[in-house]
Amino acid sequence: QVQLVQSGPEVKKPGASVRLSCKASGYPFTNFHIHWVRQSPGQGLEWVGIINPSGGSTTYAQRFQDRVTMTTDTSATTVYLDLSSLRSDDTAVYYCARVTRTTQIYYLGYWGQGTLVTVSS
Amino acid sequence: QSALTQPRSVSGSPGQSVTISCTGTSSDVGAYDYVSWYQHHPGKAPKLLIYDVTERPSGVPGRFSGSKSGNTASLTVSGLQAEDEADYYCCAYAGVYSILFGGGTKLTVL
Repeated sequence: QVQLVQSGPEVKKPGASVRLSCKASGYPFTNFHIHWVRQSPGQGLEWVGIINPSGGSTTYAQRFQDRVTMTTDTSATTVYLDLSSLRSDDTAVYYCARVTRTTQIYYLGYWGQGTLVTVSS
Repeated sequence: QSALTQPRSVSGSPGQSVTISCTGTSSDVGAYDYVSWYQHHPGKAPKLLIYDVTERPSGVPGRFSGSKSGNTASLTVSGLQAEDEADYYCCAYAGVYSILFGGGTKLTVL
């Protein structure tokens, strides 16, 4: 069965960087795009970006363009999210999510359990 | 890009129907039939309820239905049940591989 297992919680100081991981299993890793979505406390879902594990092409939400990098390690079937210059408003639960089908890259059918990132001095 | 506009909250009694609206623009909701809806219970991962405006993934009850007119999409939950109490998010393709979420609607079952 499809599983996405994310790394554990992180506590960072403002200005620092964080790397989150999302290990996929149960399907051909390079066949399905992966999205990252976050939810800040008391806020709604916010799209961060998408990566194609086959080739590594990415698209990021405009507001994260200069601070986010998504990469993959196909041998480890793992996707990474790097976020730099952290601010307090980056405090959120970050989810990775796999698309439903190879031809439906807009729909997030399988989700990781989420990783809480806390940014505090 | 601004979030799609949803009502902050809606409510209904068990057995009733409620509709949640999601208003975007001619660049997202109005431009493509790639609208989806997610149900999110606090502390759990979101769940895909509707895709392609009206389609339900297998396992999603027929009580959940979607529609779209112009720049506004809607989710209707019929025959409300206690377990339907959750946050609901619309999502639309906004071009160039990007998607946009709504601000979320809290559904309360009275």
